[in-house]
Order: sequence, then structure tokens, then C-alpha cells
Amino acid sequence: AQSVSQHNHHVILSEAASLELGCNYSYGGTVNLFWYVQYPGQHLQLLLKYFSGDPLVKGIKGFEAEFIKSKFSFNLRKPSVQWSDTAEYFCAVRGGGFKTIFGAGTRLFVKA
Amino acid sequence: DGGITQSPKYLFRKEGQNVTLSCEQNLNHDAMYWYRQDPGQGLRLIYYSQIVNDFQKGDIAEGYSVSREKKESFPLTVTSAQKNPTAFYLCASSGEAGSNQPQHFGDGTRLSIL
Repeated sequence: AQSVSQHNHHVILSEAASLELGCNYSYGGTVNLFWYVQYPGQHLQLLLKYFSGDPLVKGIKGFEAEFIKSKFSFNLRKPSVQWSDTAEYFCAVRGGGFKTIFGAGTRLFVKA
Repeated sequence: DGGITQSPKYLFRKEGQNVTLSCEQNLNHDAMYWYRQDPGQGLRLIYYSQIVNDFQKGDIAEGYSVSREKKESFPLTVTSAQKNPTAFYLCASSGEAGSNQPQHFGDGTRLSIL
């Protein structure tokens, strides 16, 4: 069965600090991987996605993620966070077909 | 604009009552999904549908039912069998199988028990 694990439930950073949010998944076959973000009061929106090819994918707002197949990981990174990055971040995995499973989410708070 | 419309935004349920949450999309997407969002638990999949007149249970389907009579619509009924229905419910859709498209989400419905 598919599952997704996000390591950190709450992260607090100061502006300009670097960010890395961990995501590990469990699924034996080919996967599509996603990071979504939910800003306060807004609906979920896509940050970036991996389907195939270069395992380092770049998304919106300076975010990037690296797919490491041997570690079943898809960690999200940003070199320098801003106050406006305060949000909840969700890792998601789609295995065969349409079924898409989400992690528990990581709440990021960036101090100005 | 294309998108997903969920209604109502807020819903209150009495004990023993069934309630139905609406989800409509005009994105011409084949797949639709219902998730339940609880603090600290992320989004948990209730049901999903890959095509009209077909749907599958997700990880927490007990106490819920769905239908998919039209491509655009995927209503969720929270039955009286769901003992802890207070949550934020999100509907999503995505493109045809094999298209590798991400999901688009609605604004959600917050259900509370009176």
C-alpha cells in the first residue's frame, strides 16, 4: 500500500535561513511525486512535481526538490526563505492509476 | 475561469443526520477525489473516481458514500455512520489517466456537528 511520511510537523525559521523538508514514501512501482502548499486562508496549490527525467525539479517561488529513488525520498528545499513562505506544505505520491496519497503536512513559520 | 466549486463553505450536521457536500468541476477532468483534512493528519483519501459511474474507496471510506453520475460532479454524503465527521473536506480533480497532471483543489467545506 502507498504511504507518505513527512518528518517534521512544525518548522520555525528566520528569514534568509535555508529550508529542507523531508518526505519519504512507500510504494514499489513507478511514482509521480508532488509538493503542494497551502497558504493561510487559501486553497492547496501545486509547488512542483516529478514524473521522470532529471531528479532535481524546480518549482515556483524558488523551491526545488530532489527525487532519490534509492531512498524513496523527495525532499523539498529552498536556499533562503521569506516571511511570505509561511504556510503548510504537503508531499503527495501517486502510484499506479489515479490514487494520490498525501503526507501529514509540515507547518512552516518564518520569522520576519 | 475553470476550476472546482465546493458548496456549502460551512455545514452543520445534527446527530443522526446525513448531509451531502457538493463538488463541481469545469476543467473536463476525468478523475475526482474527496479528502478529509484534520490538524496534524494531513489529507486522508475518502473516495476517488477515475471515470463516470465508477469510484473506489480510499483509506477512510467508512461512513461516507459518493456517486459519479456526471463527469462534472462528485458529491460526497456524510452518513450518520460516520461517528467523527467534524473536519475540513476537500474535493480535487485531475486529468486523464497517463497525463501525469497534478490535482486541482476546491476551497473546501467545513463540517461541524451541532
